[in-house]
Amino acid sequence: EVQLVESGGGLVQPGRSLKLSCAASGFTFSNYYMAWVRQAPKKGLEWVATISTSGSRTYYPDSVKGRFTISRDNAKSSLYLQMNSLKSEDTATYYCARLDDYGRYFDYWGQGVMVTVSS
Amino acid sequence: DIQMTQSPSFLSASVGDRVTINCKASQNINRYLNWYQQKLGEAPKLLIYNANSLQTGIPSRFSGSGSGTDFTLTISSLQPEDVATYFCLQHNSWPRTFGGGTKLELK
Repeated sequence: EVQLVESGGGLVQPGRSLKLSCAASGFTFSNYYMAWVRQAPKKGLEWVATISTSGSRTYYPDSVKGRFTISRDNAKSSLYLQMNSLKSEDTATYYCARLDDYGRYFDYWGQGVMVTVSS
Repeated sequence: DIQMTQSPSFLSASVGDRVTINCKASQNINRYLNWYQQKLGEAPKLLIYNANSLQTGIPSRFSGSGSGTDFTLTISSLQPEDVATYFCLQHNSWPRTFGGGTKLELK
């Protein structure tokens, strides 16, 4: 059974940093693209970052480019999201997600971890 | 970016009802549209991919249709366990974008 478990969320002040982790199990982690998706309170879902199987290629929307960094450790079956220069608008539940065999869409998701950016 | 407009945002229906939820894309996305279910406190679950393909393990009362810009998720006979929020995702182009969600409750 595919399982994705996020951790590392919490309350952080604007301008500070936070690193999220996602522990994957139930599949061969190194074979799949992975991603982070977030949902701000009472808002829709927003794709945040994608990483290739080896980690050599990463993709971001303009809203987080230059501030967020996605990475992975295939030996540990773990995905990470380093978030710097956090803003109040980054407040959201962050989901770790696996992309399907062709890297097109999110087929499995974690339960999410809450990040609150506030002074 | 492709905008996904989902309707309705809220839906109340009775057990056994036929329920339909719609997603409209701001441009042609072919059949690259998925539907997900999210129950309170749980991870989102993939129901339908590529507009009309049922994900393994999903009950056959769920079905999807559409192509181009207009898509529909249908629940043929609503069950109590279907109470959830449903949302669509377009995977025709990056950035991937989502519908705003439909909260489905029992009447």
